Amino acid sequence: ETGVTQTPRHLVMGMTNKKSLKCEQHLGHNAMYWYKQSAKKPLELMFVYSLEERVENNSVPSRFSPECPNSSHLFLHLHTLQPEDSALYLCASSQTEVGAGINEKLFFGSGTQLSVL
Amino acid sequence: AQKVTQAQTEISVVEKEDVTLDCVYETRDTTYYLFWYKQPPSGELVFLIRRNSFDEQNEISGRYSWNFQKSTSSFNFTITASQVVDSAVYFCALSEGPGRRALTFGSGTRLQVQP
Repeated sequence: ETGVTQTPRHLVMGMTNKKSLKCEQHLGHNAMYWYKQSAKKPLELMFVYSLEERVENNSVPSRFSPECPNSSHLFLHLHTLQPEDSALYLCASSQTEVGAGINEKLFFGSGTQLSVL
Repeated sequence: AQKVTQAQTEISVVEKEDVTLDCVYETRDTTYYLFWYKQPPSGELVFLIRRNSFDEQNEISGRYSWNFQKSTSSFNFTITASQVVDSAVYFCALSEGPGRRALTFGSGTRLQVQP
């Protein structure tokens, strides 16, 4: 069982659809992250959750809505997306409570490749 | 503002060649952390190394070595005797600390190792 699991691996959706990306970590970590990786830009941090509380939102449009029901699960709810939102969405986790002063390494999932038509 | 530059977009080498991936960073902080991650075709980024700004000692791990030079703001990564399995995208990243959350990633260098 891998440390960080993301589902689905691939997703194709229309601009009017609503879908959700799921991330689960089996590492007992306290912090979870969503990153966006597109062809034209470096990896971009979207959201950070620490102990199930959102601690960072990097000016992400409201059509992306994160949810962290517990420390092991993280969701990204998608609605009315645009074609430019097509990208690889990566989930990551780290052991330390974010902001505790220790920059721990991140453990990443394999990502969800999203295509918006 | 912090910034990471990986000027090499793509590198192609033949197996057993040595290859160096460049990373140049910018930060105003005196305390910061530098990272290298590997992204194989499967997609997940795999942690390779973390170095804090107070430790300029170079590190070697098997065929991998890292050269950290604060004077030139560089944190270069060398693979010795490259293998086909080393083919991946490699990302350098910077985190200002303590307590800062976000990693700033470079744009990545795609390494192709030909048999």
